[in-house]
Amino acid sequence: QQQVKQSPQSLIVQKGGISIINCAYENTAFDYFPWYQQFPGKGPALLIAIRPDVSEKKEGRFTISFNKSAKQFSLHIMDSQPGDSATYFCAASIMDSNYQLIWGAGTKLIIKP
Amino acid sequence: GAGVSQSPSNKVTEKGKDVELRCDPISGHTALYWYRQSLGQGLEFLIYFQGNSAPDKSGLPSDRFSAERTGGSVSTLTIQRTQQEDSAVYLCASSRRPLNQPQHFGDGTRLSIL
Repeated sequence: QQQVKQSPQSLIVQKGGISIINCAYENTAFDYFPWYQQFPGKGPALLIAIRPDVSEKKEGRFTISFNKSAKQFSLHIMDSQPGDSATYFCAASIMDSNYQLIWGAGTKLIIKP
Repeated sequence: GAGVSQSPSNKVTEKGKDVELRCDPISGHTALYWYRQSLGQGLEFLIYFQGNSAPDKSGLPSDRFSAERTGGSVSTLTIQRTQQEDSAVYLCASSRRPLNQPQHFGDGTRLSIL
């Protein structure tokens, strides 16, 4: 019940296209859902995060869509660029009582020029 | 710099040796985490420190692994009698209370056991 399942494992998208990465969770107590971006040789960095009181959050070309009833959330990257090529991790936690992030397995995204 | 600093960035050692990995968190961040990331894999939680509270060691894979945090700041992860399966990138993160999010990561120490 503590797992976060992420798909796909890898993704190739043409420049200018939309990249979509999906995550599903089981624990309905989760109330914080971040996405982290990791470039080779670097640590993960927070990209965007959402709380379950909203169904969508947009920051520039990056959007999180959240479906509470389905227990799913996804990252959409619009107008994908070669510089977006990285590994993306979704995660979940319970903000008020639990410090641990439960991490997805990661998606390696390649944007082809 | 204002980020999480880890040293060394790379460490190569022989099987059976002990290694120490260092993490210097962001100033003012009371929470500190250690993770392990194997090649092409996700993040495996190892240990969590919060202020002066007892650390959560639930993720440490064996008693060869230990960690300290001195003065609520710098942390050292020690691996004794290293094995080849310990080869991985060890990542440190820190965060600010009260929400403990987001976590800010260092660039990790790449550990290779020969």
